[in-house]
Amino acid sequence: ETGVTQTPRHLVMGMTNKKSLKCEQHLGHNAMYWYKQSAKKPLELMFVYSLEERVENNSVPSRFSPECPNSSHLFLHLHTLQPEDSALYLCASSQEESSVPGELFFGEGSRLTVL
Amino acid sequence: GQNIDQPTEMTATEGAIVQINCTYQTSGFNGLFWYQQHAGEAPTFLSYNVLDGLEEKGRFSSFLSRSKGYSYLLLKELQMKDSASYLCAVMDSNYQLIWGAGTKLIIKP
Repeated sequence: ETGVTQTPRHLVMGMTNKKSLKCEQHLGHNAMYWYKQSAKKPLELMFVYSLEERVENNSVPSRFSPECPNSSHLFLHLHTLQPEDSALYLCASSQEESSVPGELFFGEGSRLTVL
Repeated sequence: GQNIDQPTEMTATEGAIVQINCTYQTSGFNGLFWYQQHAGEAPTFLSYNVLDGLEEKGRFSSFLSRSKGYSYLLLKELQMKDSASYLCAVMDSNYQLIWGAGTKLIIKP
């Protein structure tokens, strides 16, 4: 139990579907992240929210839309995805001004398959 | 460009010692991290090095040489539960984490 909970753990969707991934952190952190993890590739940072404001958007396609309604919750809205978007999507949180910058607390991920 | 290199896969024997290397070329340096990720689970933080030298934490140690752009993670007295992927990451001058692709460690009895 890392204090970061992601749902659903597994998701299969068609290219025309709309779905959302949810992340909740119980650690009182003030920054949250979405990462994409594909097999044998480095983690790809998608979005960063600090104090509920988006501070990073690494040229992610518009078919991925993040939402951060408060400091404990983060969503990733998905629509008209492509098969190459199939991957593990990891949510993480951290406390800015931490003594160890870069110490992230990850959820177990949502395994997405796009048919 | 920025780059982190680590071996794709390593195999070791239970009870032995294994060293996982990581080399990096980044725009600036604000620390190097090792994370452990068991299959189907969340990555978890193992260690943080910002100064040269060895940091020991139980059976795990992490070494850093900033001049060589090099780090290693040393695992002693290997146990079957140490079978996992080990991710190396460097924080660059913009405080962005640059990740390696991970090293899958297989422990055999």
